[in-house]
Amino acid sequence: AQSVSQHNHHVILSEAASLELGCNYSYGGTVNLFWYVQYPGQHLQLLLKYFSGDPLVKGIKGFEAEFIKSKFSFNLRKPSVQWSDTAEYFCAVLSSGSARQLTFGSGTQLTVLP
Amino acid sequence: DAMVIQNPRYQVTQFGKPVTLSCSQTLNHNVMYWYQQKSSQAPKLLFHYYDKDFNNEADTPDNFQSRRPNTSFCFLDIRSPGLGDAAMYLCATSRDAGQGRETQYFGPGTRLLVL
Repeated sequence: AQSVSQHNHHVILSEAASLELGCNYSYGGTVNLFWYVQYPGQHLQLLLKYFSGDPLVKGIKGFEAEFIKSKFSFNLRKPSVQWSDTAEYFCAVLSSGSARQLTFGSGTQLTVLP
Repeated sequence: DAMVIQNPRYQVTQFGKPVTLSCSQTLNHNVMYWYQQKSSQAPKLLFHYYDKDFNNEADTPDNFQSRRPNTSFCFLDIRSPGLGDAAMYLCATSRDAGQGRETQYFGPGTRLLVL
């Protein structure tokens, strides 16, 4: 069974700081990778996704993520965070062979201080 | 705008009283999902419909059922809600693109409170 680990449960940054949120997955086959964001009181929104090709993926709102197959990682990055980035961030994995089971990590709560 | 709509946004029910949550979509996606998300936890898949085919997760309690009368609508029925069923219930949709290359789009969720 596939699993997803997000090592940082809560990250607190000041505005303009750089962000990197870790995501590691366990699955030996082909995977499709996602980052979702959940702003306070709002629904899950897709930030970015990786299916194949360039392992550096750019998403919305200045976010990007890098797929490193050898490390089973898909870390999320942003060079300069804003107060409005305060939210919960979920990494998720969908294996090509799964019965559509999108497996989520436990989430990272990001708090950006003004 | 094409979207996933969930009604109601908040639902209060009594212990043991059946409750139905609804989801509709204007994306014309052929796959629809129901997730349960408890406070500070990741969403957990309960089941999904691939077209009309129902797929239940192995650990989904029998208390949870689902119906999909047509492409646009999907319902979550909780036959006898317990206090432990209080959670946010998320509906999601996707279009089968082969090889698992599907992006799931989520609705705003229905927060269920069981008294």
